[in-house]
Amino acid sequence: KQEVTQIPAALSVPEGENLVLNCSFTDSAIYNLQWFRQDPGKGLTSLLLIQSSQREQTSGRLNASLDKSSGRSTLYIAASQPGDSATYLCAVEGPGGGNKLTFGTGTQLKVEL
Amino acid sequence: DAGVTQSPTHLIKTRGQQVTLRCSPKSGHDTVSWYQQALGQGPQFIFQYYEEEERQRGNFPDRFSGHQFPNYSSELNVNALLLGDSALYLCASSSDRVPGEAFFGQGTRLTVV
Repeated sequence: KQEVTQIPAALSVPEGENLVLNCSFTDSAIYNLQWFRQDPGKGLTSLLLIQSSQREQTSGRLNASLDKSSGRSTLYIAASQPGDSATYLCAVEGPGGGNKLTFGTGTQLKVEL
Repeated sequence: DAGVTQSPTHLIKTRGQQVTLRCSPKSGHDTVSWYQQALGQGPQFIFQYYEEEERQRGNFPDRFSGHQFPNYSSELNVNALLLGDSALYLCASSSDRVPGEAFFGQGTRLTVV
């Protein structure tokens, strides 16, 4: 059974800092990995999707890497802003695809002025 | 394009009652997946509907059932509600034609009292 773990559970940083969020998964036979953002009580917004054959994806100030063999992914956020405050969730899709996602419990990020 | 829409946004029910949640997928998507997100946890996969059939199911009891209509919209039904069913219920729409792409609705907050 696939299990996804995210560290840290919560993080508070001053504005402007660069930061790294970590995600690990137990079964390396994944189809892809996604990072999502969730604002309080709201739905999920996809930030980055990394296919199993890829090593990283970038979008603006965000960069996500994937090391499938070690079961790890990192989300790097450059020059953090208060608007980045949210919960960040990592999710993997199993080898069969079909958009069945297994999520971690998330990292709650607070960026302070 | 309205994206993925869910109704209602909030709902309060009493233990033992039954509830129906609704989801309209993004235009062009034919697959609907349902997730349960308890407070402070990551979303858990309930089931997925494709071509009006349940295609995949997570580890949820039979009290959780669903339906997909010819226009691809979907319902999630929960019978004999328990206090532990209180959660944010998220709907995700996707298409096998675009693997890995899933769009989430804003969710329905269900409170069981």
